[in-house]
Amino acid sequence: DARVTQTPRHKVTEMGQEVTMRCQPILGHNTVFWYRQTMMQGLELLAYFRNRAPLDDSGMPKDRFSAEMPDATLATLKIQPSEPRDSAVYFCASGVVRGGGDTGELFFGEGSRLTVL
Amino acid sequence: QQPVQSPQAVILREGEDAVINCSSSKALYSVHWYRQKHGEAPVFLMILLKGGEQKGHEKISASFNEKKQQSSLYLTASQLSYSGTYFCGTPTGGTSYGKLTFGQGTILTVHP
Repeated sequence: DARVTQTPRHKVTEMGQEVTMRCQPILGHNTVFWYRQTMMQGLELLAYFRNRAPLDDSGMPKDRFSAEMPDATLATLKIQPSEPRDSAVYFCASGVVRGGGDTGELFFGEGSRLTVL
Repeated sequence: QQPVQSPQAVILREGEDAVINCSSSKALYSVHWYRQKHGEAPVFLMILLKGGEQKGHEKISASFNEKKQQSSLYLTASQLSYSGTYFCGTPTGGTSYGKLTFGQGTILTVHP
């Protein structure tokens, strides 16, 4: 079964440390999304890539967050420095652009649960 | 712009029906529905396109009214397995074409 793979699954770190989360999208998928989920904010969109190009990262705090796709098999989300308010589950999702350019079905990874102390 | 879902939560007994609504302040060309069970990742249910289309997944169906910028998810004869949080997603256009933004979610609890 093809699946989106995220690492690490769990991460506990101290405030001020750098955190890098990785995502391997499903082979052949050309869109990648990063979402952050908290009880208060629901599923927040952080970044959106199409064909590895960043199309939108307006939901991301620019001073500390960065997202990249160095190649088609890897997407990264980095937080530097991390803060307690960054504690959340971070989901990566990949999909294929449908006819007309709309986003098709998204396949979500299992998420990376981040706790910043 | 995040779509708005209502109600925020629904509690049902097995066999009862429920409707979850999703509305947007912007013109929509499609609406996406996902379900997330506790502790798991969201899972795709269906996509609805312009044209008042209705689709179905098990005993879950949905409609889309692009004039009213609304979509509704209908859960018929609910089962315990339907429990979870339901999200609608609306894509945007322009330079961020296809960017999928989700509503805040509707928590559905089905009791025996």
